[in-house]
Amino acid sequence: GAVVSQHPSRVICKSGTSVKIECRSLDFQATTMFWYRQFPKQSLMLMATSNEGSKATYEQGVEKDKFLINHASLTLSTLTVTSAHPEDSSFYICSARAGQGGYTFGSGTRLTVV
Amino acid sequence: TQLLEQSPQFLSIQEGENLTVYCNSSSVFSSLQWYRQEPGEGPVLLVTVVTGGEVKKLKRLTFQFGDARKDSSLHITAAQPGDTGLYLCAGRDYKLSFGAGTTVTVRA
Repeated sequence: GAVVSQHPSRVICKSGTSVKIECRSLDFQATTMFWYRQFPKQSLMLMATSNEGSKATYEQGVEKDKFLINHASLTLSTLTVTSAHPEDSSFYICSARAGQGGYTFGSGTRLTVV
Repeated sequence: TQLLEQSPQFLSIQEGENLTVYCNSSSVFSSLQWYRQEPGEGPVLLVTVVTGGEVKKLKRLTFQFGDARKDSSLHITAAQPGDTGLYLCAGRDYKLSFGAGTTVTVRA
């Protein structure tokens, strides 16, 4: 079946630094990738949708300059949290889809900003 | 605005008991999906329902989709500790919209 690899699984960074999270589709070409944020025991909140080769579409209330998304190839999307602050600490999950196919989720990245 | 409402928010039961989780949507999606998520992991798809009135079974899990395609339920028979997790329903159109989730704890 389709596999999505997300890296790193955990990261701790200092306040003010930037962190990059990678999401790779291992055995299929992901025309669309989605980035979610999840707080403890809460649901997934969609942050942005990215199509390969074009700019990401951000959900209302998500700062595009804060959360930079790049989807340069059909197998890789990255989320960069810029100038991270403690309130950015969260669980970030990516999802990939090939065409109108099913959604496959990564295993998530636990970001802690200290 | 939360398009999908799940209830209950939390559910704690003893091993062997049955449980039901509900999902109600204010909109009709092209399909509705149920996921289970364990701590520190991404959600894993359990089932997709498309047709109103549809019933799908996955071992001890039974999924129902309402005739109007706006409500769905997940029923687990004889729950086991391994069923513990966050259960999420999601409506699918050009993206997935998730419900708030139900945290299920099955005590041994």
